[in-house]
Amino acid sequence: QKEVEQNSGPLSVPEGAIASLNCTYSDRGSQSFFWYRQYSGKSPELIMFIYSNGDKEDGRFTAQLNKASQYVSLLIRDSQPSDSATYLCAVLSNSGYALNFGKGTSLLVTP
Amino acid sequence: DGGITQSPKYLFRKEGQNVTLSCEQNLNHDAMYWYRQDPGQGLRLIYYSQIVNDFQKGDIAEGYSVSREKKESFPLTVTSAQKNPTAFYLCASGYPATNEKLFFGSGTQLSVL
Repeated sequence: QKEVEQNSGPLSVPEGAIASLNCTYSDRGSQSFFWYRQYSGKSPELIMFIYSNGDKEDGRFTAQLNKASQYVSLLIRDSQPSDSATYLCAVLSNSGYALNFGKGTSLLVTP
Repeated sequence: DGGITQSPKYLFRKEGQNVTLSCEQNLNHDAMYWYRQDPGQGLRLIYYSQIVNDFQKGDIAEGYSVSREKKESFPLTVTSAQKNPTAFYLCASGYPATNEKLFFGSGTQLSVL
C-alpha cells in the first residue's frame, strides 16, 4: 500500500498567524495531490488540489508541491478560529481512480 | 440540489448480523467510493466502482461487500465477518483523476450493540 504521512498534531497557532501543514508520500509516481478539511463529525470538503511543482494560491490558502522530495504542504495565512479542523492530505492512487488519504493533522486556531 | 445521500445516519449492529448502508447520488457520476474512518484516523478505501456492474476492492475490503446495479446507487454491506465494524462510513462520487473534487455524503456512524 502506498503511504501518505501526516503529523497528527494538534497544531496550535494564534489567530492571525500562518499555519503550516505538511504531508509526505511514498509513491514517486504520484501525480495529483489534494487537501481536504474536515470538521468533527462532518464530511471532508475540498480546499484545493495541486499537480505541478511549486506553489498554488487560492485566497488565504497556498499549496506547495515538491515532487523530488515527495512533499506537499498547505499554508493558511491569517488563520481564523473557524479554520480549526482536521486537514487531510490525499494522493491519487496507482489505479488512477481512487484517493489515498493520510491520517490528517488537527489544527487549533486560538483567539 | 445535486448531491449524495447516505442513510441511515446512525446504525447499530448486533453480533453476527449483516447490515447494509445506503448511498444514492444524483450527480450522474460513474465513479463511486466507500471509505471507512476510525476516530483520529484518515479515510481508508473499502471498495470503489468506476461503472455500473463493476467494482474493485480497496485496501480494507475484507468483511464488506458491495453491488452496483444502478448508476445512482452503491450500497455497502457490512457482514458478520467484519469483526470490528464500529466506524464512520463515508460514500463519495467523482473523478479525482481529472483533478475534480470528490463529493461526499454526510456519513453513517455504525456501532456494535
